[in-house]
Amino acid sequence: GQNIDQPTEMTATEGAIVQINCTYQTSGFNGLFWYQQHAGEAPTFLSYNVLDGLEEKGRFSSFLSRSKGYSYLLLKELQMKDSASYLCAVRVSSGAGSYQLTFGKGTKLSVIP
Amino acid sequence: EPEVTQTPSHQVTQMGQEVILRCVPISNHLYFYWYRQILGQKVEFLVSFYNNEISEKSEIFDDQFSVERPDGSNFTLKIRSTKLEDSAMYFCASSELARQETQYFGPGTRLLVL
Repeated sequence: GQNIDQPTEMTATEGAIVQINCTYQTSGFNGLFWYQQHAGEAPTFLSYNVLDGLEEKGRFSSFLSRSKGYSYLLLKELQMKDSASYLCAVRVSSGAGSYQLTFGKGTKLSVIP
Repeated sequence: EPEVTQTPSHQVTQMGQEVILRCVPISNHLYFYWYRQILGQKVEFLVSFYNNEISEKSEIFDDQFSVERPDGSNFTLKIRSTKLEDSAMYFCASSELARQETQYFGPGTRLLVL
């Protein structure tokens, strides 16, 4: 089966840096995604890692270590609008030509002044 | 920027009724997905669809559910004989290819079964 763990909630100050961790145990690993989800809205794609290392995209960076089953999302220069849930999702290959996403429960980030 | 659209945004139905949720994937995308999210819980995969047939489905996607691509643009999820526990947000997603491609999500349909 698939298991994805991430902290339930985090709080950080506006302007600061926050790191959201995600650990996973899956079979058929085919990439790790981070999505942002504001309450009542759809998940919005943030980043994607399939190889080990750091991917940087503006204020957001994501890191992957496949051997450790570990990823983190780094948010810099936090803004109030970054208050949202951050979803770690692993793409798994079933061998049937499909690549479903398995999501963690999400980390609710609250940015405070 | 192209986006996935879904209708309706909200749907209220009586238990036992059938509902059809509609999605228009991004036009050059070939793979389509349905996910659901029960309030306060994680996003769960339901089904993937490619080349007019189901590629994969989860254990949630039982005989109560079906998907169809009735024309060149729409992708639908039908839920027969709805139950209270079917109340959730249903998201459609699409990707250009299955491999190495990001899935883009629609805004969702909030289904409430009374």
